[in-house]
Amino acid sequence: NAGVMQNPRHLVRRRGQEARLRCSPMKGHSHVYWYRQLPEEGLKFMVYLQKENIIDESGMPKERFSAEFPKEGPSILRIQQVVRGDSAAYFCASSPPRGDEQFFGPGTRLTVL
Amino acid sequence: AQSVSQHNHHVILSEAASLELGCNYSYGGTVNLFWYVQYPGQHLQLLLKYFSGDPLVKGIKGFEAEFIKSKFSFNLRKPSVQWSDTAEYFCAVNGRGFKTIFGAGTRLFVKA
Repeated sequence: NAGVMQNPRHLVRRRGQEARLRCSPMKGHSHVYWYRQLPEEGLKFMVYLQKENIIDESGMPKERFSAEFPKEGPSILRIQQVVRGDSAAYFCASSPPRGDEQFFGPGTRLTVL
Repeated sequence: AQSVSQHNHHVILSEAASLELGCNYSYGGTVNLFWYVQYPGQHLQLLLKYFSGDPLVKGIKGFEAEFIKSKFSFNLRKPSVQWSDTAEYFCAVNGRGFKTIFGAGTRLFVKA
C-alpha cells in the first residue's frame, strides 16, 4: 500500500507565478489535510478537505491560496501570484473516514525567487 | 485557544544520555496525542500516539511518552539516545477527525 504521495518534491517559482502542489492520499483515505512548515517553525494547519468538500479552511490565507479535493484525482493546493514569503515546505496528510491518525507525505519544498 | 507548547527548541546530548522532551497542550474535549520525528531531509514519521487507555505509551526505536491529563502534558522520553536519534521532534494533538495542532518542534543533536 503506497503511502501519501506529493509532487513535485521541489518547486521553484518566480514572484507572481502560480504554484500547484499535488497530493495523492493513501488508498482508502478520503480525508486530506494540508500543512505549511516555515523555516524554524513547526507545521501550521492550513486546510482540511474531504472528497469535493472543504471542511475547515481556518488556516488558509484569505487571498491567493485555494485548495480542492475532487471526486477523481489528487488534492491540489494552489497558490496564485506567489511571493517570497510563500517559500516553505508544504505537507499533505491523509486519514481514513473516522480516523484519528494522519499519515504524512514527503512534502513539497516551494522556493520563490 | 488550541495550542501545543514544546519547552525546548534545541537540545544537545551525548550518546547514552537520557532524553526527555516536554510537551504541554491546550485543547478542549477528548484529545489524541502524537509525537512525530523528522530526520534530516526526510518527511514526518510517527514515533508514537496516545488515543486512550494506558497513559504510558511505547513507540518505535525505544521511545516512550506519558500522558498526564491533570498537567495537560505528553512528554517524550528515551533512556539512552544514539547518534542516529539526531532529528527534529514534534508534539501534536488533535480531536477526532479534525486538524492537528503541532508544537514548534525540538531539534535534538546527539554527539557521538
